[in-house]
Amino acid sequence: DGGITQSPKYLFRKEGQNVTLSCEQNLNHDAMYWYRQDPGQGLRLIYYSQIVNDFQKGDIAEGYSVSREKKESFPLTVTSAQKNPTAFYLCASSPRGPYGYTFGSGTRLTVV
Amino acid sequence: AQRVTQPEKLLSVFKGAPVELKCNYSYSGSPELFWYVQYSRQRLQLLLRHISRESIKGFTADLNKGETSFHLKKPFAQEEDSAMYYCALSANNAGNMLTFGGGTRLMVKP
Repeated sequence: DGGITQSPKYLFRKEGQNVTLSCEQNLNHDAMYWYRQDPGQGLRLIYYSQIVNDFQKGDIAEGYSVSREKKESFPLTVTSAQKNPTAFYLCASSPRGPYGYTFGSGTRLTVV
Repeated sequence: AQRVTQPEKLLSVFKGAPVELKCNYSYSGSPELFWYVQYSRQRLQLLLRHISRESIKGFTADLNKGETSFHLKKPFAQEEDSAMYYCALSANNAGNMLTFGGGTRLMVKP
């Protein structure tokens, strides 16, 4: 199913908790990305990684953290410092060159 | 920094009517532009890239560097075209990283 898998599909978090969203790809893509999708705001970049063991902050990195220990995996942790974490989170990957992204199916995070 | 603007949040047309989803960008270099589509309950997927000069599902988009636009067009809309459409730009100094517009919801009425 598409080569890029996000889990879980739905996630509920209590105030003050950290949660980790999983993203795995078997497309052999070098680059991976995390976006946040909010109604009316499009997609905003949280973090991206062009290569294993390296990652860069995007436009809205505050309150989030990532790791890239393997080419296939790029997990996102939403920390308690993120003030408004309820959103739809999208992971994507891309090969080198102007080929665009392949997206995962997303994780909807709700703070309860 | 680059920016992508989709001025219409919602576009509603009747089946068989022409449709144009607007996309404007600001970037001083030579951009690569994309259109992505998200159908209901499906993942976001690439619709077309300007470098491919392709027509997908009857949609085309032409890069107009003078007007810094990349509008998406289809001569005759179908109900199955109803979806959320995002325009995206890749700057040549930012690897493959994409900057997305805010999206336009297209509703095709019967």
